[in-house]
Amino acid sequence: DTGVSQDPRHKITKRGQNVTFRCDPISEHNRLYWYRQTLGQGPEFLTYFQNEAQLEKSRLLSDRFSAERPKGSFSTLEIQRTEQGDSAMYLCASSIRAGSRDTEAFFGQGTRLTVV
Amino acid sequence: SQQGEEDPQALSIQEGENATMNCSYKTSINNLQWYRQNSGRGLVHLILIRSNEREKHSGRLRVTLDTSKKSSSLLITASRAADTASYFCATVNPYGNNRLAFGKGNQVVVIP
Repeated sequence: DTGVSQDPRHKITKRGQNVTFRCDPISEHNRLYWYRQTLGQGPEFLTYFQNEAQLEKSRLLSDRFSAERPKGSFSTLEIQRTEQGDSAMYLCASSIRAGSRDTEAFFGQGTRLTVV
Repeated sequence: SQQGEEDPQALSIQEGENATMNCSYKTSINNLQWYRQNSGRGLVHLILIRSNEREKHSGRLRVTLDTSKKSSSLLITASRAADTASYFCATVNPYGNNRLAFGKGNQVVVIP
């Protein structure tokens, strides 16, 4: 097991373009999370999947943002018509619910998006 | 919204000294977790303490939790230059989604 992996690590895009990021969680983890982190701040929750079902979305996730986890394995986060305010580090995390107990989340290295 | 709030925000210490960070939160929690982040990298989980626990140790780390005061502290003993990083506390609510609510983080610099 190689942990949570994210691709790409860095993305520079022009304002107005669409971008898509991918996250591969730890294989047996049924829970997957997306967070966004701007400079000097802690990560902010964007959305959460349990298996393939998207169970919660933050108000931060505007209509331009969409996330999928089609087979309950990898996930994609797409941002349409990017704006400069979308520049941030996008972090993916996964965890497993063991019985009635939640375990710690494991984070990927993140995708740093720069919108110019 | 951010749940945890760490204090102090920035800490500079000499190698070998102890570093203490505090975190406060506002709502009910299932557990509280501490993470470390090196510059520009992902977060590394350090320790999880459940709401019914008061203290936990892991190597050079000691975490306390006071649910009556809604606060936690992280102590790093005998700090090393490699401990230089940002440290975040994050709370998990009791509603079952395991979503983490992070504070703004502490920047810790350990001077060799």
